[in-house]
Amino acid sequence: TQLLEQSPQFLSIQEGENLTVYCNSSSVFSSLQWYRQEPGEGPVLLVTVVTGGEVKKLKRLTFQFGDARKDSSLHITAAQTGDTGLYLCAGVEVGNEKLTFGTGTRLTIIP
Amino acid sequence: DSGVTQTPKHLITATGQRVTLRCSPRSGDLSVYWYQQSLDQGLQFLIQYYNGEERAKGNILERFSAQQFPDLHSELNLSSLELGDSALYFCASSPRVNTEAFFGQGTRLTVV
Repeated sequence: TQLLEQSPQFLSIQEGENLTVYCNSSSVFSSLQWYRQEPGEGPVLLVTVVTGGEVKKLKRLTFQFGDARKDSSLHITAAQTGDTGLYLCAGVEVGNEKLTFGTGTRLTIIP
Repeated sequence: DSGVTQTPKHLITATGQRVTLRCSPRSGDLSVYWYQQSLDQGLQFLIQYYNGEERAKGNILERFSAQQFPDLHSELNLSSLELGDSALYFCASSPRVNTEAFFGQGTRLTVV
């Protein structure tokens, strides 16, 4: 079983629509990050959340860390074709030092 | 540009061979991570170093080894290569342990 499960695994929506992707675990994390990866490239950090209940906004992207620090969500408003990519959450479990990545959500925005 | 440099960018080699992948972290970063990503798969954690010392180990095969040198660059050695080792290998660095990571462009390894 994966430490961090992301859902949905694949998502294809029309440009202009809103969407939410989820990152869930049964473990508690000291911090959680979201990355976007494009084909053949390395993941690029989008945001880090560290406090339970924290909400961070990055233009049309809203990130939330669960109150119990076990889960997170990424909401995109008015999706654009440039949002297409693989979205990965990653976290460091409390008491651990490994940065573990989730299973990923592959997002396709259709023009 | 993340500031993390990986070489080579592409590598094609035969089964049974040994290769070395190199990573130069961002200036000032002490922590280096190695990940493997197979086609359409997530990132599998291999190993992490901090200031020359191994700090965490994932499901790294015994045929694979790594080290971080005094100048903080790192090398990942893959030996007795098999077809299934074909993948993208990413290096990432961070200033400290347990902080966000900055990734290189990866090395695409193809074993034929």
